[in-house]
Amino acid sequence: QITLKESGPTLVKPTETLTLTCTFSGFSLGTSGVSVGWIRQPPGKALEWLAFIYWDDDKHYSPSLKNRLTVTKDTSKNQVVLTMTDMEPVDTATFFCAHKRRYSTTWAFDHWGQGILVTVSS
Amino acid sequence: DIQMTQSPLSLSASIGDRVTITCRAGEAIDKFVAWYQQKPGKAPNLLIYAASSLQNGVPTRFIGSGSGTDFTLTISSLQPEDLASYYCQQTYTNPWTFGPGTKVEI
Repeated sequence: QITLKESGPTLVKPTETLTLTCTFSGFSLGTSGVSVGWIRQPPGKALEWLAFIYWDDDKHYSPSLKNRLTVTKDTSKNQVVLTMTDMEPVDTATFFCAHKRRYSTTWAFDHWGQGILVTVSS
Repeated sequence: DIQMTQSPLSLSASIGDRVTITCRAGEAIDKFVAWYQQKPGKAPNLLIYAASSLQNGVPTRFIGSGSGTDFTLTISSLQPEDLASYYCQQTYTNPWTFGPGTKVEI
């Protein structure tokens, strides 16, 4: 059974760096083909994909946020960490991590964490 | 980036109604579309992948179709627990992009 859970601060100040941890179980990022994604959702708005990290440490980032995002993994701890620099109030959102599954010829996020609401305010 | 649009952005329907949500991609994406249901205060839940394949455990009243640029999600007989927002997503190329969502009210 796959589970994921996000943890980290729920309040950050403008210009600060946000660090979120996704702790998962039921799969290993040491296994070929496995990947985890990060997605955010401002209150009342749509979902926005942020980043992927793969079993081989390959990483993909949203082009619009690439300069502010870093994603890393700790395979031994079953954790993925997302950092986002220079946070501003418009970055207030619920952040989700999710397991990316391959279905023969396509992919989708088949399991999601519960999400963590991060508010940016002084 | 491939833009995904949805229509309508909100709808109100009755129990037992057939509901159809449309998603359009800004360019052809074969069948690389997933549909998610998101209930208030919850994480999204995968309903459909590859445009028309039903995720395990999802009720068969959820039907996906389409290819290329035009896709639809149909709820064949709306149930009270279907109150939610529904998002399409293209998984054809990075960056993965989502539609704006369709809010279904009952």
